[in-house]
Amino acid sequence: DGGITQSPKYLFRKEGQNVTLSCEQNLNHDAMYWYRQDPGQGLRLIYYSQIVNDFQKGDIAEGYSVSREKKESFPLTVTSAQKNPTAFYLCASETGTSGNNEQFFGPGTRLTVL
Amino acid sequence: QQQVKQSPQSLIVQKGGISIINCAYENTAFDYFPWYQQFPGKGPALLIAIRPDVSEKKEGRFTISFNKSAKQFSLHIMDSQPGDSATYFCAASSMGSYIPTFGRGTSLIVHP
Repeated sequence: DGGITQSPKYLFRKEGQNVTLSCEQNLNHDAMYWYRQDPGQGLRLIYYSQIVNDFQKGDIAEGYSVSREKKESFPLTVTSAQKNPTAFYLCASETGTSGNNEQFFGPGTRLTVL
Repeated sequence: QQQVKQSPQSLIVQKGGISIINCAYENTAFDYFPWYQQFPGKGPALLIAIRPDVSEKKEGRFTISFNKSAKQFSLHIMDSQPGDSATYFCAASSMGSYIPTFGRGTSLIVHP
């Protein structure tokens, strides 16, 4: 089955730790996105990538980093510089590269800072 | 970033009733207007989408109404069912923008 997988489903982080969230897709999509979801705030864009080895900051990139070494993979690292990382993180990919098509979302990773 | 304003923030409807969620946008270059449905603890999934060459699109019990002059679009859920209870997001995007703009979401509860 084609789709997007995210792992882990739940992640706990201690203060000062970096953690990496995994996102893999087998849809052969060029564009991939990371969103953060907090109650009542909708989906906020962290980073996006239109092509391998290229990515752009979104609205709330501070304290996060990404890489795009393979078309299928777009991991997100939450660094210790992110002061309030507890949230639900969603990875998505898009059928085109223009941002003007359907987005396919993964099941999400819930990150909790202890 | 251009905004998409979504209302209401929450909605409670009785089974069999009509649920209506509204969105308004500013950027006249937007030409793709999807609605996403998200169940608790899951990722959103596309429910229905419209492009501005039509004023209405219907898929089963779900209808998008689009008013280009007013820069508004809405989702109508006919014969609402408890299984429709979820959060609904509208979005808008334009060719070349690379980034869709999402509304803040509407939490829908359908009582049996």
